[in-house]
Amino acid sequence: QLQLQESGPGLVKPSETLSLTCTVSGGSINSSSYYWGWIRQPPGKGLEWIGTIYYSGSTFYNPSLNSRVSISVDTSKNQFSLKLSSVTAADTAVYYCARQVTGDFDYWGQGTLVTVSS
Amino acid sequence: DIQMTQSPSSVSASVGDRVTITCRGSQGISSWLAWYQQKPGKAPKLLIYGASNLHSGVPSRFSGSGSGTDFTLTISSLQPEDFATYYCQHTNSFPFTFGPGTKVDI
Repeated sequence: QLQLQESGPGLVKPSETLSLTCTVSGGSINSSSYYWGWIRQPPGKGLEWIGTIYYSGSTFYNPSLNSRVSISVDTSKNQFSLKLSSVTAADTAVYYCARQVTGDFDYWGQGTLVTVSS
Repeated sequence: DIQMTQSPSSVSASVGDRVTITCRGSQGISSWLAWYQQKPGKAPKLLIYGASNLHSGVPSRFSGSGSGTDFTLTISSLQPEDFATYYCQHTNSFPFTFGPGTKVDI
């Protein structure tokens, strides 16, 4: 059974960089069949796609975040990571990692709340 | 970018009711559409992909239809565990966008 688990600080100061890691278990991230994505959800609001990475390292980002976001993959650790720079209170959200198949997200992590506050 | 809208934004229903939720894209996306169910405090779960294909393990009371710009999610007989928020997402191309959600409550 594939499982994804987000990890990282739950509190980040304004203007700093948010860093999260997603650890994949029960399956290999090094597969040509899947992509791996990040999605976020501000409290009480809807879902926003952040970006996606392929095992080869190819990345695709939401244009609204493009200048601040970076996603990387470490196939040796079966992990992929998110960095979001220059955060503000508007970046406070539950961040999810998920496996992506032809666009849809079929397996999700449980999500981790990241609060931006001084 | 393709924008997704959903209607209604919320619906009140009873156990056993037939519920239909509509999703519309700002441009044609063929059948590149997914539906998700999200319960409070939980991650979304994939219900439907390719507009009408039931994801593994999803009960058959859920069904999806449509193509182009207009899509529907139907729950044929609402069960207590179906009270949740439902989101559509176009899977046509980057950047992916989700609809604003439809809350199904009692």
